[in-house]
Amino acid sequence: KAGVTQTPRYLIKTRGQQVTLSCSPISGHRSVSWYQQTPGQGLQFLFEYFSETQRNKGNFPGRFSGRQFSNSRSEMNVSTLELGDSALYLCASSLGPTGVALQETQYFGPGTRLLVL
Amino acid sequence: AQKITQTQPGMFVQEKEAVTLDCTYDTSDPSYGLFWYKQPSSGEMIFLIYQGSYDQQNATEGRYSLNFQKARKSANLVISASQLGDSAMYFCAMREHNTNAGKSTFGDGTTLTVKP
Repeated sequence: KAGVTQTPRYLIKTRGQQVTLSCSPISGHRSVSWYQQTPGQGLQFLFEYFSETQRNKGNFPGRFSGRQFSNSRSEMNVSTLELGDSALYLCASSLGPTGVALQETQYFGPGTRLLVL
Repeated sequence: AQKITQTQPGMFVQEKEAVTLDCTYDTSDPSYGLFWYKQPSSGEMIFLIYQGSYDQQNATEGRYSLNFQKARKSANLVISASQLGDSAMYFCAMREHNTNAGKSTFGDGTTLTVKP
């Protein structure tokens, strides 16, 4: 079974631009979560989608948004990029709320490294 | 609020020896899961092991075992017979089942270096 895939893997943008990152979950997984990883802040939760609905959101400004499609693929968008948005963006998928805790294990993709100049 | 604390920024271990990476957590949710992930320099987070809050026995997966002490709210990872390929960053994470849907909270990580 293929793992979580993320595209693109690397991205360079300039301040003020916007960016869209894509995530394809493991087949059969319906929950997709996004995280931002920086040396200073560590791993920070952005948001989570299940069945095309955002169920949870972290403490990020409205410039960060996401969506999930009917095939469970997800995208996240960052508008008006700032230098501080430079980070590794990780996507994780899981089966979703099955009631069996181990089945809710999140599996991560390789990440997208975003550099904002 | 859920919180994960990893107090060891860096650890060294000799090849073939065992090493323990510490993790303490805080939550008010009685139902939660604890996870350990490995992050090599490539950046991908690799799932290693899981422990549920109601599990009676400590989890084991090959060379990885989790020393779960619920009363102390600790979930230490033990790696036996360390290998050079174990050199990486290790993260402890927690997911609450009744709150914070889809969110894992991570510690700051421990960088493990295995010496030949």
